[in-house]
Amino acid sequence: KQEVTQIPAALSVPEGENLVLNCSFTDSAIYNLQWFRQDPGKGLTSLLLIQSSQREQTSGRLNASLDKSSGRSTLYIAASQPGDSATYLCAVEYSSASKIIFGSGTRLSIRP
Amino acid sequence: SAVISQKPSRDICQRGTSLTIQCQVDSQVTMMFWYRQQPGQSLTLIATANQGSEATYESGFVIDKFPISRPNLTFSTLTVSNMSPEDSSIYLCSVGAGSTDTQYFGPGTRLTVL
Repeated sequence: KQEVTQIPAALSVPEGENLVLNCSFTDSAIYNLQWFRQDPGKGLTSLLLIQSSQREQTSGRLNASLDKSSGRSTLYIAASQPGDSATYLCAVEYSSASKIIFGSGTRLSIRP
Repeated sequence: SAVISQKPSRDICQRGTSLTIQCQVDSQVTMMFWYRQQPGQSLTLIATANQGSEATYESGFVIDKFPISRPNLTFSTLTVSNMSPEDSSIYLCSVGAGSTDTQYFGPGTRLTVL
């Protein structure tokens, strides 16, 4: 069964800290992996997409890595800000234009 | 990128009634996806809607409960039929960006069933 797991479920850190969110998936034959951000009461915003042939992607203070052999991805957030507070979702796609399997999310709170 | 709008943004409905949610995309797309996010949970795919064919439903979801229309390449509707309080969720539609594979989501419809 293809499953995506995220740890921790919730995380609270003071502003300015660097932090890492974890995502693991049971089937390593992925097509791509995406990290999304969801703000309360709103839809999802795609942050980074890593194709199966890639090892990492960077956008601003965000860096996502992918290790297919171990079935893991991490989202690194540098110099965290209160505006980074949101739920972060990891999602895996196993073939082009197929369904996406979501993790349960990490609820991140950045304390001023 | 794709810009997606959904109507209504939220609704409060009585048990036993039905609600139709609309999803509009600013570009033509082959496949549209409907997800449900129950309170405190992650997203679960309900069905995939292809233009010109019947929607494909995931395990646990049936057409009688969640009928879907896909009349053209920019629009789809999801109906939640004979609602019960267990249907209280956020319903989201999404599309893929094709060449980049990025998935774009609408803002969601927050449904509360009393």
